[in-house]
Amino acid sequence: DTAVSQTPKYLVTQMGNDKSIKCEQNLGHDTMYWYKQDSKKFLKIMFSYNNKELIINETVPNRFSPKSPDKAHLNLHINSLELGDSAVYFCASSHGLAGRFYEQYFGPGTRLTVT
Amino acid sequence: QKEVEQDPGPLSVPEGAIVSLNCTYSNSAFQYFMWYRQYSRKGPELLMYTYSSGNKEDGRFTAQVDKSSKYISLFIRDSQPSDSATYLCAMSRGNQGGKLIFGQGTELSVKP
Repeated sequence: DTAVSQTPKYLVTQMGNDKSIKCEQNLGHDTMYWYKQDSKKFLKIMFSYNNKELIINETVPNRFSPKSPDKAHLNLHINSLELGDSAVYFCASSHGLAGRFYEQYFGPGTRLTVT
Repeated sequence: QKEVEQDPGPLSVPEGAIVSLNCTYSNSAFQYFMWYRQYSRKGPELLMYTYSSGNKEDGRFTAQVDKSSKYISLFIRDSQPSDSATYLCAMSRGNQGGKLIFGQGTELSVKP
């Protein structure tokens, strides 16, 4: 039933650790995104992939590395976690870049806390 | 200065009130204007979408875009407690890989 799912929902880890977040969508979309929402609810795009190809990389530190093994999956690996990485990370998907790109379906979010 | 500015609120209204939510923006290249609703501890969901200027109505919700003033609004009529959520405006130029620029979101509480 779930359209866009993310695992884990909560992640508590220490500074310097490496962690991954996984995302899957079953909507048949060909474009997937990672967003970061800070404590003030400000939502900012990090990456977008279209048909497994990286389209957007929004000046995100290279400690963040997305990977799209296929159109339905987009993972995010974060190296050497810092306190400032604490946020809610949302995965989203939509139809193609020239289609209804503005109708993005978001996952439930992964709440990352770095201590 | 952020590209999209939105008053974060919080905004508290009684049930049945008319709610007006607004965003201003600085980039005149924006062509797509969206309102997303985000319930607590959930992901945002698309509520309304408008291309270029004009009004759009969907049930109790009306979206307005005034490109000359770089100002967009969302009106909620007969507000219900179930409308309590954070409302995020979002905008796009339309040819940037699906990139949406979001406002900070306005937290709305509708009291019974």
